[in-house]
Amino acid sequence: DQQVKQNSPSLSVQEGRISILNCDYTNSMFDYFLWYKKYPAEGPTFLISISSIKDKNEDGRFTVFLNKSAKHLSLHIVPSQPGDSAVYFCAARPTSGTYKYIFGTGTRLKVLA
Amino acid sequence: KAGVTQTPRYLIKTRGQQVTLSCSPISGHRSVSWYQQTPGQGLQFLFEYFSETQRNKGNFPGRFSGRQFSNSRSEMNVSTLELGDSALYLCASSFGGGANTEAFFGQGTRLTVV
Repeated sequence: DQQVKQNSPSLSVQEGRISILNCDYTNSMFDYFLWYKKYPAEGPTFLISISSIKDKNEDGRFTVFLNKSAKHLSLHIVPSQPGDSAVYFCAARPTSGTYKYIFGTGTRLKVLA
Repeated sequence: KAGVTQTPRYLIKTRGQQVTLSCSPISGHRSVSWYQQTPGQGLQFLFEYFSETQRNKGNFPGRFSGRQFSNSRSEMNVSTLELGDSALYLCASSFGGGANTEAFFGQGTRLTVV
């Protein structure tokens, strides 16, 4: 039972354009959401997070949008750069006060120069 | 500030053997979580330790166990290894205390069971 779903296994975007990565979840009790980026042979690196009390959080080129009614979040990268090519994981926290995260299966982003 | 350190980086074991993986969290972090990553499965939560106590556990068989020491360092043990245990095992550390903060991951231990 996949509670956090990333339905697009891969995405290709031209350099300079917007990358939009999507994530859906099933549990309305999730209260905190995160995006991680992972390069091969490295551990995931934290990118950006959002609390369930917000609908948008921005950090430089990265913006996360949360639509609680649709149980959907998305990560926007503008402008996309070749160095952004990596696997992106969304994660959700099912219980406040702990660090148990439920991860999606990841989306491989390729930014074309 | 040093990051999360996992040792060893690579490990090859034979079916039926047991293995112990180690994780040193970021200084000051009291929460340590373990995840298994396999192709197509994303990161699957194994367990989380906070102040030497297991606070959360994922849906893995009892062959997977862990512990945390008073200095917050953690070990994960897998007994009676199976071929399907081949994966990247990731450790993540967090400050703890329930705040909305992210977890920081180590580079992982690549376990291959033959």
